Amino acid sequence: NAGVTQTPKFQVLKTGQSMTLQCAQDMNHNSMYWYRQDPGMGLRLIYYSASEGTTDKGEVPNGYNVSRLNKREFSLRLESAAPSQTSVYFCASSFLETLGNEQFFGPGTRLTVL
Amino acid sequence: QQQVKQSPQSLIVQKGGISIINCAYENTAFDYFPWYQQFPGKGPALLIAIRPDVSEKKEGRFTISFNKSAKQFSLHIMDSQPGDSATYFCAASLAGGGNKLTFGTGTQLKVEL
Repeated sequence: NAGVTQTPKFQVLKTGQSMTLQCAQDMNHNSMYWYRQDPGMGLRLIYYSASEGTTDKGEVPNGYNVSRLNKREFSLRLESAAPSQTSVYFCASSFLETLGNEQFFGPGTRLTVL
Repeated sequence: QQQVKQSPQSLIVQKGGISIINCAYENTAFDYFPWYQQFPGKGPALLIAIRPDVSEKKEGRFTISFNKSAKQFSLHIMDSQPGDSATYFCAASLAGGGNKLTFGTGTQLKVEL
């Protein structure tokens, strides 16, 4: 089992460009999450999907969109990238979206917006 | 506004010593408190977690101490080893708020020989 996989590992964009970060899990988990990690800020939730077919905003959703493509895949899209979106992005999944379900994280995507 | 405050930002401990990382929260509706460990270039991984109905939880060398009245919880790493060198994040989830995590700002731990 690969667990949670993310592509790409690294990406450099120019301001205004768009891109989609891909995430997939093979653990038959129902819930998936997107976080961003910035120095001195910890991890902050961008969007989450409690189950296939549902998505909801997290703490910092502005400038992002998500798609829960199927049970395995949850993508994060930046329509018009800004330097403030330079960050490391982590996808995570859990079996259920109920309190205390362990979240399993992918290896991250390091994004730089020039 | 940081809902979970974590300290210190960085910590250096000698091999065999005790590492202590502290977190404090304001929202009494938080009902689940995990600690995550992150190695460079990797995603965070769950280390240990506690619910507020107990004051302490121990798993091997790792212990969470929880003080509900003070709204504080801490991670103790006994007999710290160089392999424990990593960034540690405390987090919290709201009762009735699903499984969404609010993270602290992280503590970079270095264990020296």
